[in-house]
Amino acid sequence: SQWGEENLQALSIQEGEDVTMNCSYKTYTTVVQWYRQKSGKGPAQLILIRSNEREKRSGRLRATLDTSSQSSSLSITGTLATDTAVYFCATDGGTGGYKVVFGSGTRLLVSP
Amino acid sequence: EAAVTQSPRNKVTVTGGNVTLSCRQTNSHNYMYWYRQDTGHGLRLIHYSYGAGNLQIGDVPDGYKATRTTQEDFFLLLELASPSQTSLYFCASSPGGDTEVFFGKGTRLTVV
Repeated sequence: SQWGEENLQALSIQEGEDVTMNCSYKTYTTVVQWYRQKSGKGPAQLILIRSNEREKRSGRLRATLDTSSQSSSLSITGTLATDTAVYFCATDGGTGGYKVVFGSGTRLLVSP
Repeated sequence: EAAVTQSPRNKVTVTGGNVTLSCRQTNSHNYMYWYRQDTGHGLRLIHYSYGAGNLQIGDVPDGYKATRTTQEDFFLLLELASPSQTSLYFCASSPGGDTEVFFGKGTRLTVV
């Protein structure tokens, strides 16, 4: 497996709280992507962060990338019940940008 | 909005049967992917392709064949289906391997 310490399997929080999900990988990647999958849907990209970037923001989302420790995080501030979903990180599997491989994901439940 | 269409959306087949899952993208993307999704495993890459006539082996290829007949069409073939191939299958496309991946709505396959 190319994945290190897996993401937390499941998180349950209250609406309004902030949350951070982590992802670590074993092989160098040119990009880390974060996806969200809502029930009954295919995954949809949230953020893409490249190996020369340390941080990327999009609205309430913030992704970080630490290439030295081969880890990435996704933070959501002021969560909403609609943030309930499974969150995946994805890398290129050490192929230099030819594959997109996904971790096992973190299930986030945000209660109103 | 990138469009990836999978058919059928649901399929039931018997052990030992032949199944073909179809995927068409109208995004003019070079890359196409087939994933399977099972509880606890996230999305696992079966096969992928850089373009018409090209095929690359993914991380869980055993029991699957794939063919990319055109830029738009990517097929996944199960020639001797087994119950272990019961899963939710996603097709996806992207402009490049290090860019956003756009997913179809998935095909739920049950092998009885």
